[in-house]
Amino acid sequence: AQSVAQPEDQVNVAEGNPLTVKCTYSVSGNPYLFWYVQYPNRGLQFLLKYITGDNLVKGSYGFEAEFNKSQTSFHLKKPSALVSDSALYFCAVRDGNYGQNFVFGPGTRLSVLP
Amino acid sequence: NAGVTQTPKFQVLKTGQSMTLQCAQDMNHEYMSWYRQDPGMGLRLIHYSVGAGITDQGEVPNGYNVSRSTTEDFPLRLLSAAPSQTSVYFCASSYVRVSYPHEQFFGPGTRLTVL
Repeated sequence: AQSVAQPEDQVNVAEGNPLTVKCTYSVSGNPYLFWYVQYPNRGLQFLLKYITGDNLVKGSYGFEAEFNKSQTSFHLKKPSALVSDSALYFCAVRDGNYGQNFVFGPGTRLSVLP
Repeated sequence: NAGVTQTPKFQVLKTGQSMTLQCAQDMNHEYMSWYRQDPGMGLRLIHYSVGAGITDQGEVPNGYNVSRSTTEDFPLRLLSAAPSQTSVYFCASSYVRVSYPHEQFFGPGTRLTVL
């Protein structure tokens, strides 16, 4: 069975500092990994995905994520946080051997303090 | 393109009432899905479809029905609403390719309260 963990409910970071939002996953086949962001009272917006190849994936709004197969992790990062990055972030996984469905993590609330 | 649209945005029901949440997409996506979002639980898959005439159950299907008569539309029906169905509901869609995992596009959500 597929599963995703986001070990931190809340991450606080000062504006201008680097940020990391953690994600670990479990799948039986090849993992396809995704990050989404949700702003208040909005739907989820796609940020980036890992399929294969380079372990460092670059996405929208200056975000990037690092895939680590040995640690089964896919942490989201940004070198310099903005107040406008404050939102709810979801990691999701799709098992390459198991259909089209995604499994989402519980979400991490990021607060960037001015 | 309008993308994924959902109606209504808000709805209040009494226990036992029925209603249909509408979802439509104009991107010719084969895959469509319904999720519910509850605090601390992320998004949980209710039902999904990989094409017109094909639907299947997700993680939490009880109390919900779906149908897919066209590529564009994927309505979610609550037959007899219960307070446990109070949640925010999201519809999503994507292309289906065996060897390439396309991202899902999400609608704006429907906030449902069952009294």
